[in-house]
Amino acid sequence: DTGVSQDPRHKITKRGQNVTFRCDPISEHNRLYWYRQTLGQGPEFLTYFQNEAQLEKSRLLSDRFSAERPKGSFSTLEIQRTEQGDSAMYLCASSLVLLAGGSSHEQYFGPGTRLTVT
Amino acid sequence: KNQVEQSPQSLIILEGKNCTLQCNYTVSPFSNLRWYKQDTGRGPVSLTIMTFSENTKSNGRYTATLDADTKQSSLHITASQLSDSASYICVVSTASGGSYIPTFGRGTSLIVHP
Repeated sequence: DTGVSQDPRHKITKRGQNVTFRCDPISEHNRLYWYRQTLGQGPEFLTYFQNEAQLEKSRLLSDRFSAERPKGSFSTLEIQRTEQGDSAMYLCASSLVLLAGGSSHEQYFGPGTRLTVT
Repeated sequence: KNQVEQSPQSLIILEGKNCTLQCNYTVSPFSNLRWYKQDTGRGPVSLTIMTFSENTKSNGRYTATLDADTKQSSLHITASQLSDSASYICVVSTASGGSYIPTFGRGTSLIVHP
């Protein structure tokens, strides 16, 4: 257990439905990241937050995806109008970054939320 | 385009043997390279992190090397154990002006047989 939790662990939904995932990072960590991983592939970067500010978004993050971290603590990732291609493991990670622009600080991953769109 | 290529795609070895996994990258500008271990159905766990100036870093039976000139890294596992069976993922990151972009490899699937 890394200290990063994600909820739910598994989600099955029908195509066209909206889903929302939650990530609770390690409490003192100021950075929070979302990734997507499909079977047999490495994770793909989606977005990351520094405190409550969303600093980077991948082109993979279509208009149907939105992420928030309103108070700089937990984060939510919402997928609207789900498609079968959204089926994947959604991973959250957090880190503590003390210097501006630094990215060498270790990331701690949660167990992931496995989404299946039928 | 930033890319990270890992080889081999999969590897089967006997318990107690050593093995080396490879990672080649074209990510630029380079900030750091990490190796992760990912057990099936779980999130990745960090093994090593190396910046530009570091050539080697060890974590127990895991030793990572980095050649920033040739843009290659390797992960050497010594005296393998059954619990080493997992996917090993190489991640190379850029960091510019506060932006952070990681590029992940597809991973090497390692199976250790008794």
